[in-house]
Amino acid sequence: SQQGEEDPQALSIQEGENATMNCSYKTSINNLQWYRQNSGRGLVHLILIRSNEREKHSGRLRVTLDTSKKSSSLLITASRAADTASYFCATDDEGSQGNLIFGKGTKLSVKP
Amino acid sequence: DTAVSQTPKYLVTQMGNDKSIKCEQNLGHDTMYWYKQDSKKFLKIMFSYNNKELIINETVPNRFSPKSPDKAHLNLHINSLELGDSAVYFCASNTGQGVYGYTFGSGTRLTVV
Repeated sequence: SQQGEEDPQALSIQEGENATMNCSYKTSINNLQWYRQNSGRGLVHLILIRSNEREKHSGRLRVTLDTSKKSSSLLITASRAADTASYFCATDDEGSQGNLIFGKGTKLSVKP
Repeated sequence: DTAVSQTPKYLVTQMGNDKSIKCEQNLGHDTMYWYKQDSKKFLKIMFSYNNKELIINETVPNRFSPKSPDKAHLNLHINSLELGDSAVYFCASNTGQGVYGYTFGSGTRLTVV
């Protein structure tokens, strides 16, 4: 079953602009994670936010979590061409024994 | 050193054949997973193993069978391959404690002709 739904499906911006991607989910979670996938490559873990956290930062990344709305957002500030990739949110559901359920992803294109 | 390595990277085979994909992790993680990514980039879990025991088995055809000879390896065997099995298969590992993210392999692109 699919849990996370990313929005938008595709996003095109200029280098230096900020990129915001949203994720909605359906059930109670232990944590929510964001991953990046470059074309033809594996997924790279970016950040994990626990259900009792509301905001987390890592370098140019900022993740928020609103468990009342069952939603999360990923903000990439001062984007670079190298940020071009697909971004996925994934939820670790309560009682799932660590089974991550992924959304469909947002394809981000950063133009130089 | 590659943390999670999969072989082969590409696999082209005919319908009806039996094939295996190997996965090894050198991170000392307790849990390993297999995910399937379809042509629309949707990722779905297939199996996970914790200390050689299957703890999650999603509704995948029984033609797919995971085999874990030890904690560092989780291989995927596929019997009687079908056209619909064409996809990218990712191996991943994790501490299993819900604290850290997964580490993924680079994927195996399986094409069934």
